[in-house]
Amino acid sequence: GAGVSQSPRYKVAKRGQDVALRCDPISGHVSLFWYQQALGQGPEFLTYFQNEAQLDKSGLPSDRFFAERPEGSVSTLKIQRTQQEDSAVYLCASSSPGTSGRAGGTDTQYFGPGTRLTVL
Amino acid sequence: AQSVTQLDSHVSVSEGTPVLLRCNYSSSYSPSLFWYVQHPNKGLQLLLKYTSAATLVKGINGFEAEFKKSETSFHLTKPSAHMSDAAEYFCVVSARDTGRRALTFGSGTRLQVQP
Repeated sequence: GAGVSQSPRYKVAKRGQDVALRCDPISGHVSLFWYQQALGQGPEFLTYFQNEAQLDKSGLPSDRFFAERPEGSVSTLKIQRTQQEDSAVYLCASSSPGTSGRAGGTDTQYFGPGTRLTVL
Repeated sequence: AQSVTQLDSHVSVSEGTPVLLRCNYSSSYSPSLFWYVQHPNKGLQLLLKYTSAATLVKGINGFEAEFKKSETSFHLTKPSAHMSDAAEYFCVVSARDTGRRALTFGSGTRLQVQP
């Protein structure tokens, strides 16, 4: 079916506002990832879900960042009290379990087009 | 810990000439290695991946990469560049045996293709 979709594609926020970014993964994909890509840089990992469980949030830069996936499908990344350094493209990726059968299988992550957040 | 170093931030080639994008990795575990391409205003697309099978990996659009453990390298090559290859390329590593699923990206190489 369709690939990973993200909305909105562009978001402009005033400093201090809260924003919510949505990700619709590929149907049936149990794993969902969020990455942050600053201008001119490679994406950096934020957090990872397996179904509804958030198994890794080691990349979230501060407690202003919060992600959820309550029903194990759609995910929302929320940023509270946005600051100018939060300006970046936020990428979502999804994957299905690898066929290796081992932990850390090499399943491919499929990326959405991203949401470009600009904080003024 | 794992990291990736892309040795060139910009590469410029003429259409029809070979492409070489260099990548060195560091990983405490057996790595999985990937190359992704990002066209302007488009999502990241997987070109190819290495997962401990054959060391020479063939990908889409004529790209291939060779895993060299002794050199900790995973360079991306293509025999003949097309104008449509102009994009940003990312070398990516993940720690295959740890259960940690996060990808670690390099800083990217911008490929320009001159007519």
